Amino acid sequence: ETGVTQSPTHLIKTRGQQVTLRCSSQSGHNTVSWYQQALGQGPQFIFQYYREEENGRGNFPPRFSGLQFPNYSSELNVNALELDDSALYLCASSLGGGTTRYEQYFGPGTRLTVT
Amino acid sequence: KNEVEQSPQNLTAQEGEFITINCSYSVGISALHWLQQHPGGGIVSLFMLSSGKKKHGRLIATINIQEKHSSLHITASHPRDSAVYICAVPSGGSNYKLTFGKGTLLTVNP
Repeated sequence: ETGVTQSPTHLIKTRGQQVTLRCSSQSGHNTVSWYQQALGQGPQFIFQYYREEENGRGNFPPRFSGLQFPNYSSELNVNALELDDSALYLCASSLGGGTTRYEQYFGPGTRLTVT
Repeated sequence: KNEVEQSPQNLTAQEGEFITINCSYSVGISALHWLQQHPGGGIVSLFMLSSGKKKHGRLIATINIQEKHSSLHITASHPRDSAVYICAVPSGGSNYKLTFGKGTLLTVNP
C-alpha cells in the first residue's frame, strides 16, 4: 500500500505566473482534499474532489482550481500568483466524500514560494 | 463555522514527562482528528475519534462530546515527539471540510 505523494517538493514562482501542484492519493482512496498552510498557521481548506467532481470548496478565489483524474490523483492549479499564495500546500486522501467518517491521510506537502 | 481553540500554544517538557494538549470546539461534531506535523514537514494523522478514548503506543486521545473538548496525552515523552500537534474538526454544517486549530508546538528536551 503506497502513501500519499505530492510533487514537486519545493517550487519558486514569480508573481503573476501560474502553477500546478500534483497529488497521488493512497491506494483505494477516491477522495482528495487540498489545504493551504501559511507559515505559523493551521491548514485552510481549499476544496475537495470526490470521484472526479468538486465536492466542496473553502473560501478561496476562482483562480484556485483543481482536477481529479480517473485514477483519483489530483492537481491544484493556481493562476495569477500573488505573494500571499506562498505557503505549504497539502493534499489528503480518504475514502468516501466526507471527512467526518473517514480518516484523512496527508501527503508531505509542496512548499510554494512566490517572489 | 466551527471555532477550534488549542492550548497551550507552546509547550516545553523534559524527556519522560507526561504531556497534555487540549482542544475545544464550538459546534457539535461527529469526529475529531489529531494530527502531528514536524517542522517544515507534512502532516501525519494520529487519531480520528468520535467518543471515549483511543490509544496508540505512548499516545492517548480522549474526547468528551457533551463538553466539546478533547485532549491528547503523551506518556514518557521523548525528544522525537517534538512537533506541532493540531486538532481538526468538521466545519459547522459540513461533512467534508475540516477546520484546524492553530496547533501546539511541543519541544521535548533530553
